[in-house]
Amino acid sequence: NAGVTQTPKFRVLKTGQSMTLLCAQDMNHEYMYWYRQDPGMGLRLIHYSVGEGTTAKGEVPDGYNVSRLKKQNFLLGLESAAPSQTSVYFCASSYSRDRDSYEQYFGPGTRLTVT
Amino acid sequence: RKEVEQDPGPFNVPEGATVAFNCTYSNSASQSFFWYRQDCRKEPKLLMSVYSSGNEDGRFTAQLNRASQYISLLIRDSKLSDSATYLCVVILASGGSYIPTFGRGTSLIVHP
Repeated sequence: NAGVTQTPKFRVLKTGQSMTLLCAQDMNHEYMYWYRQDPGMGLRLIHYSVGEGTTAKGEVPDGYNVSRLKKQNFLLGLESAAPSQTSVYFCASSYSRDRDSYEQYFGPGTRLTVT
Repeated sequence: RKEVEQDPGPFNVPEGATVAFNCTYSNSASQSFFWYRQDCRKEPKLLMSVYSSGNEDGRFTAQLNRASQYISLLIRDSKLSDSATYLCVVILASGGSYIPTFGRGTSLIVHP
């Protein structure tokens, strides 16, 4: 049971390049999330998904797109990277819609630098 | 105003000390509350849920005050290994989904 995995772990992009971050979970979780974490800013929700084929915007969605074609995968795309997107990206999943059992499991993070 | 506010610290305490963190939230409709721990350059991990009646897990005690809209985390007998950033999380129901909002975190440094 690998939990939540993220690919790649590190990446350096030039301004204007595109890339896709992959998140995979093997816990059959319904909910999946993408966050970014910047110094002094905490974790900010980019997009989330409540099930296969559905996605929704979080707090900071601009410049990102997502897809959830399979329940176990949640992809985050940057179409035209900007230096402001330099950050650590965390993916998370949770197993229940029940508000009382809402533990999120996080992946190890992807460190992205845009030059 | 950010929806979830935490004192960033750092809180610098000696081993064995008792330390408390507060977290305030702005939306009175918030439904669930949690504390996460994050070690340097690692992913956050759930420390404990926060229940209305308060709950305790070993040296850790969490409390919820709905009237004043804050949650607290008390750590007794601090250990060096407690050094980390503590994140509070508030869950808000929105359109049938449960949306988490993280505070910016409170840094704790426990020294010998």
